Amino acid sequence: AQSVTQPDIHITVSEGASLELRCNYSYGATPYLFWYVQSPGQGLQLLLKYFSGDTLVQGIKGFEAEFKRSQSSFNLRKPSVHWSDAAEYFCAVASGYSSASKIIFGSGTRLSIRP
Amino acid sequence: GAVVSQHPSRVICKSGTSVKIECRSLDFQATTMFWYRQFPKQSLMLMATSNEGSKATYEQGVEKDKFLINHASLTLSTLTVTSAHPEDSSFYICSARQTDPLSSYEQYFGPGTRLTVT
Repeated sequence: AQSVTQPDIHITVSEGASLELRCNYSYGATPYLFWYVQSPGQGLQLLLKYFSGDTLVQGIKGFEAEFKRSQSSFNLRKPSVHWSDAAEYFCAVASGYSSASKIIFGSGTRLSIRP
Repeated sequence: GAVVSQHPSRVICKSGTSVKIECRSLDFQATTMFWYRQFPKQSLMLMATSNEGSKATYEQGVEKDKFLINHASLTLSTLTVTSAHPEDSSFYICSARQTDPLSSYEQYFGPGTRLTVT
């Protein structure tokens, strides 16, 4: 069965600094990977997704992620964070590319921004 | 486009009562909807997969008699928490998947419903 690991529970970075959130997945076939962001008390917003093709994926709000099959990783990056980026970030994997697929979420990484 | 709504956004109920949460896809048809539960500072746990016109598929450990799911139309799924107890207090989030294959079967998430059982 597929699974997702986010090793960092909480990260604090200074405003304007670069950011990298780690995500490792476990899945036997080609994974379909997502990054979502959740503000306190809110639903989820999709930042970006990887299905196939170019392993460097661009998303909204200046985020990008790189799929590395050899490392089973899909780390999220942003070159310069803003105070509004403070939120909970979830990496997720889908079991396939069909109507039967389910999305499994990692445990999340809480991002705090230092002024 | 691809907006999912949930109603209510917050609900407080007394122990022993039942609560119904609605999930609607506003501008697309969704044959499949998903219900997740999220405890404070934790991740989303998939509870069940809801398919229009058929019985829901529950994840292991989820009580189907306690969490009743109905998906009567292509735009509406409901989750009823029956005989609610304080331990059922949580944040419930639904998602809906478009039926159009060209949409890459992406899921769209609702804003969530905060349930508090007193």
